[in-house]
Amino acid sequence: SQQGEEDPQALSIQEGENATMNCSYKTSINNLQWYRQNSGRGLVHLILIRSNEREKHSGRLRVTLDTSKKSSSLLITASRAADTASYFCATGLIQGAQKLVFGQGTRLTINP
Amino acid sequence: SQTIHQWPATLVQPVGSPLSLECTVEGTSNPNLYWYRQAAGRGLQLLFYSVGIGQISSEVPQNLSASRPQDRQFILSSKKLLLSDSGFYLCAWSTGKQETQYFGPGTRLLVL
Repeated sequence: SQQGEEDPQALSIQEGENATMNCSYKTSINNLQWYRQNSGRGLVHLILIRSNEREKHSGRLRVTLDTSKKSSSLLITASRAADTASYFCATGLIQGAQKLVFGQGTRLTINP
Repeated sequence: SQTIHQWPATLVQPVGSPLSLECTVEGTSNPNLYWYRQAAGRGLQLLFYSVGIGQISSEVPQNLSASRPQDRQFILSSKKLLLSDSGFYLCAWSTGKQETQYFGPGTRLLVL
């Protein structure tokens, strides 16, 4: 099974609402990162949160990390049509050498 | 500033033909380099990564190979393409172990 699994697989909300996506993982991590991918494009890094941090903010983005539950959430407040994209979490495993492990992603659609 | 280039953007190749995808990074030295493949609507599968010239780690045994002939050049190759090699290929770089990865625009490969 996947190291990082996002939930839900797809989310559709109205513009202006908040969007919450979750990521669960199975083994201990050094850090967890969130990326965004617009259709047919490369991924763009959003936030990196380290294992000793519990919450980070960047603009309208808020990421939380609960290492006891092995889970993270990404909150996008006051969503905009331009936020429509796929969102991926990626984990840097303690035993993971020089790489990240990406989840399958959440497809977010913001309806105008 | 750092930039990453991938080419071609789109490629249609017959089964059994060779493949060469190139990725180059500008504005940084001794980056970690990564090749990923993404099936439609799915997450990223790490294929290869490199921490230095001539150093290649393979993640998934398959029909593909990678080479790093220069510090900022990463090449993905195949001698004979299979139908299952179709997908979206992404190159990425980072400054070090499990740090933020910066992605190229991707190459969409269709094997017919």
